Amino acid sequence: EAQVTQNPRYLITVTGKKLTVTCSQNMNHEYMSWYRQDPGLGLRQIYYSMNVEVTDKGDVPEGYKVSRKEKRNFPLILESPSPNQTSLYFCASSLFQGLNTEAFFGQGTRLTVV
Amino acid sequence: GENVEQHPSTLSVQEGDSAVIKCTYSDSASNYFPWYKQELGKRPQLIIDIRSNVGEKKDQRIAVTLNKTAKHFSLHITETQPEDSAVYFCAAQNSNQFYFGTGTSLTVIP
Repeated sequence: EAQVTQNPRYLITVTGKKLTVTCSQNMNHEYMSWYRQDPGLGLRQIYYSMNVEVTDKGDVPEGYKVSRKEKRNFPLILESPSPNQTSLYFCASSLFQGLNTEAFFGQGTRLTVV
Repeated sequence: GENVEQHPSTLSVQEGDSAVIKCTYSDSASNYFPWYKQELGKRPQLIIDIRSNVGEKKDQRIAVTLNKTAKHFSLHITETQPEDSAVYFCAAQNSNQFYFGTGTSLTVIP
């Protein structure tokens, strides 16, 4: 089954404790991205990657890191989480070739930083 | 960068009526405009999209219109049903980035 898988689904952590949210897709998609969803603010793009070893900042990259060592994986790293990073996070992937730009979203990760 | 505004933030309609959600964008270079539906507790899913070289696209009860000159695009849902109740997001693609609206919570009253 074609899918985007995020882990964990829920995470409660303390300020300053490094964490990683994993994202994996099995559709051989070129493009992957991370979003955070906050009430009243919609979805905001954090980082995106056009292909392996190619990553770029989105609209709200501060406090986040990403890596794309393999085509299928795109982990989101919070080196020193702060309470303002409490949010619902979505990973998404798309083929991004020609007219094939539909984004497929993961199931989301609800992060709470206390 | 791009700025996408979406209205209204909430919308209630009677079952069978139509619903219209409007979005504006700021950068004329944006060329792809998808709409996503997010049911409660679920992930966003694409329901329809339109490209800048097309003015209108329809898929059964759902249609999207684009006015490039005015930089706005709209989602039209006809004959609404209770299962249409969800949050709807518009988005604009500019170069390799996606910019989303703030969402519209649609409630269809049986």
